[in-house]
Amino acid sequence: ETGVTQTPRHLVMGMTNKKSLKCEQHLGHNAMYWYKQSAKKPLELMFVYNFKEQTENNSVPSRFSPECPNSSHLFLHLHTLQPEDSALYLCASSQGRTGLSGNTIYFGEGSWLTVV
Amino acid sequence: AQSVAQPEDQVNVAEGNPLTVKCTYSVSGNPYLFWYVQYPNRGLQFLLKYITGDNLVKGSYGFEAEFNKSQTSFHLKKPSALVSDSALYFCAVAPGYSSASKIIFGSGTRLSIRP
Repeated sequence: ETGVTQTPRHLVMGMTNKKSLKCEQHLGHNAMYWYKQSAKKPLELMFVYNFKEQTENNSVPSRFSPECPNSSHLFLHLHTLQPEDSALYLCASSQGRTGLSGNTIYFGEGSWLTVV
Repeated sequence: AQSVAQPEDQVNVAEGNPLTVKCTYSVSGNPYLFWYVQYPNRGLQFLLKYITGDNLVKGSYGFEAEFNKSQTSFHLKKPSALVSDSALYFCAVAPGYSSASKIIFGSGTRLSIRP
C-alpha cells in the first residue's frame, strides 16, 4: 500500500475515446507529478504541479490535459490518443520540489494505458 | 548539462553473492542522489537517498549505496543477493542548487538473481 493511489490500474481506450486517469496522495505533499514510462525508453516527466499550480509542462501534446484541483488530487485527461501513447503512466508526489533539500518523490503503482 | 548514467542494462548475480548496480552522474554543485526499485507491473519504490554527511547510505531491504564525490558515482550494493531482489533499479539525481531543479532518472538496470 503506497501513499499515492492511482486509478484505474489498467485502461484500454480507442483513439476517439475520452478518459481520465486519477491520482490521490495521502502524504500531505504539495508537489505532484505525471510521468510516462514506455518500454525501452527513460522515464519521461510530463507535468509538475506545486501547490496546485502547474510549474512544468515538458512539451506534452495537447491530447494530454492535466488537472490539479487541490494539492492531494491530480488528473490526466486523455482524448484522441495515438497507439504510441500506450505506456505506464505514473503519478508521484513530494513535499516541495526535489531540488529543495533533496525531497523524495513517492510514486503510485501506475496506470497501464493501451490505446487501440 | 545535468545527467545520470547507469552503464549496465542488466546485471546477473547468483543468490547469496554480493551485488553492485552502478550509477554515475554529472551535475553542478552538490547533488542529491536517489535509488528506486521497480518490481514487475508496479510503480517505482524509494530505496535510499544521499543528501549530505556520511558517504555510506543504508536503505530498505538491506541495500546500501556509497557516494563518491571524486568519481561522481553512487553505486548501489547489497552483501548477499536474494532472488526477490530481481527487479529494475533506477538511479536519480537532483542538482540541488535551485528549488526549481528537477530530478533526473537514469535509464534503469535490470537486476536478475539466479537461485
